Amino acid sequence: EDQVTQSPEALRLQEGESSSLNCSYTVSGLRGLFWYRQDPGKGPEFLFTLYSAGEEKEKERLKATLTKKESFLHITAPKPEDSATYLCAVSGGGNKLTFGTGTQLKVEL
Amino acid sequence: DTGVSQDPRHKITKRGQNVTFRCDPISEHNRLYWYRQTLGQGPEFLTYFQNEAQLEKSRLLSDRFSAERPKGSFSTLEIQRTEQGDSAMYLCASSLGETGELFFGEGSRLTVL
Repeated sequence: EDQVTQSPEALRLQEGESSSLNCSYTVSGLRGLFWYRQDPGKGPEFLFTLYSAGEEKEKERLKATLTKKESFLHITAPKPEDSATYLCAVSGGGNKLTFGTGTQLKVEL
Repeated sequence: DTGVSQDPRHKITKRGQNVTFRCDPISEHNRLYWYRQTLGQGPEFLTYFQNEAQLEKSRLLSDRFSAERPKGSFSTLEIQRTEQGDSAMYLCASSLGETGELFFGEGSRLTVL
């Protein structure tokens, strides 16, 4: 069964203080690893897809990387509007995504 | 608005009652998914449709849960004889083709008293 573990559970940063979120996964035959952002009371919003080890994707202050066992979401010089829960998910076959429990990020002025 | 819409946004019901949620996906998307999310957890897969065919169901989906997608357009998720453990956010998502890029609605929050 596919498994996703995210750490830390919560992270508090000062504006401009860069950091990384971790996503460790176990899957038989990775078809894709996905990062989503979720704001309180809203549905998740797609950010990135990574397919193979060594792949990187960037969007504004976010960069996602992938190895054979984990993925990192690097946040460079975050702003308060980056505050959200960041969810990692994997697709190992079939048509479902298996999500982690997320990292709740709070960026303060 | 061309996003995924869900109705109702909030539903409070008493234990034992039946509830139904509706999802209108993005019009050109052929795939539709239902997920359930409880506080502090990530979304859990419930079921998936390709057009009008329900192709996959989670073991989480007990026989009290039923989902339909008539004519491959909107979908409904019905929960019969609700239990307090059914309290959660029910999320609908759609996609075009086989992709993990899902477009989620804002969810229907169910509270069972």
